[in-house]
This record gives sequence, structure tokens and C-alpha cells, in this order.
Amino acid sequence: SAVISQKPSRDICQRGTSLTIQCQVDSQVTMMFWYRQQPGQSLTLIATANQGSEATYESGFVIDKFPISRPNLTFSTLTVSNMSPEDSSIYLCSVAGDTTLLQETQYFGPGTRLLVL
Amino acid sequence: GQQVMQIPQYQHVQEGEDFTTYCNSSTTLSNIQWYKQRPGGHPVFLIQLVKSGEVKKQKRLTFQFGEAKKNSSLHITATQTTDVGTYFCAGLISLKGGATNKLIFGTGTLLAVQP
Repeated sequence: SAVISQKPSRDICQRGTSLTIQCQVDSQVTMMFWYRQQPGQSLTLIATANQGSEATYESGFVIDKFPISRPNLTFSTLTVSNMSPEDSSIYLCSVAGDTTLLQETQYFGPGTRLLVL
Repeated sequence: GQQVMQIPQYQHVQEGEDFTTYCNSSTTLSNIQWYKQRPGGHPVFLIQLVKSGEVKKQKRLTFQFGEAKKNSSLHITATQTTDVGTYFCAGLISLKGGATNKLIFGTGTLLAVQP
């Protein structure tokens, strides 16, 4: 399976500012995803990062708040814009499995722990 | 909308006891996946079940997919302290019209194991 890294691993930010999270994969992958996991909760899909086109956002998430870039098949960024304390969460990127059998499964990066004051 | 619920939310067992978590979907699933998230860690893929009634084993873990493909269970025999974490099921829902299939994560079950 792919090796996924995220930067930063954690950050403390002031409300009203923005933070860009980077996700790097050690191999080319078709599907990359961004999730949010609030403390003690399950994972909620924010968007699918599409290479060469605009991301596909899930209900409740908009591009102005969570702009996503996917310049190539190994890298993506998620920006959390105009942050408020409610944005405090773990942000996870993931990639789809790299075999036909497992292409619908997902492999997660280590996550970015964000605290907004 | 589609929902995947798990019960219990939390389970505390003595080391050596068995543990089971149940996963129920409001929608028929194409497949069911299970993930484990250790405290402070990220979800790690465990297994995928595709066929109705399928049962798979990984050492002390037994995974089952219901006949109607709407529920699943994970059973751990003789728990160990290394089993501590949150177990998530995730159901794959096929969307019509060529849309990308959707993976919906369950609410999770947090397992605590007392030595």
C-alpha cells in the first residue's frame, strides 16, 4: 500500500486565519480524499480531490471554506479558511487501494490535528 | 441520507474476554470494510467483505457480512491490550448514473481492554 505523509502534523491557530495542509503520497494514485474527524467522532468526507479539475465536495462543505488543490497524482492540499473554534478537528487525507480488488478501500495519512483558539 | 450505525459506542472488557461490535446500514451495501484506529492514530484498513453472508477470519478477529448486505459484525476472541482502539465499519454504496461509489463510515465502537 502507498505511504502517505501529511504536513503539518498539528497546529494551533487563531480564529480568522487560514491553514493549508499538505498530503504527499509515495506513488501515483487516482483517487485522493480529505476527511474531517472531530474529537471522539467518526470520519466525515469533505471532498474528493480530482487531479486536473475542481474537487468534488460533499453536502455541507464548500470550496470557499475548504479549497483543495491536486496539481498531480502524488500531492494534494486542503486549506481551512477563515477558521473558527468549530474547525478544531483532525484532518485526514486518504488514497484508494492500488489493486483492482482493493480499489474501493482507503489508506489514510497520519492526520493533521488542528486546534483553533 | 445514508447512515451506518454501530453498537455499542463503547465497550470495556477484561483482557481475555470476547468482544463484538455490530454495524447496521440503512441502505444495501456493495461491500463492507473494517478499520481500526488506535488512540492518537489514524484509521488502518483491516478487511473487506463483498459477498452476502461472507465470513472472514484474521487470527482472533472474525468478520461477518449479513445475508441482506445491510449489516456486519466484528468479533474478537480473547481480547488483548493491543486490541485497544476504535473500530469503524465503512459501507460502500453504489450510486446510480455513473457517480463515484460512496464510502460511509460507521459511528465507531471504542474498545477498552483492562489488563
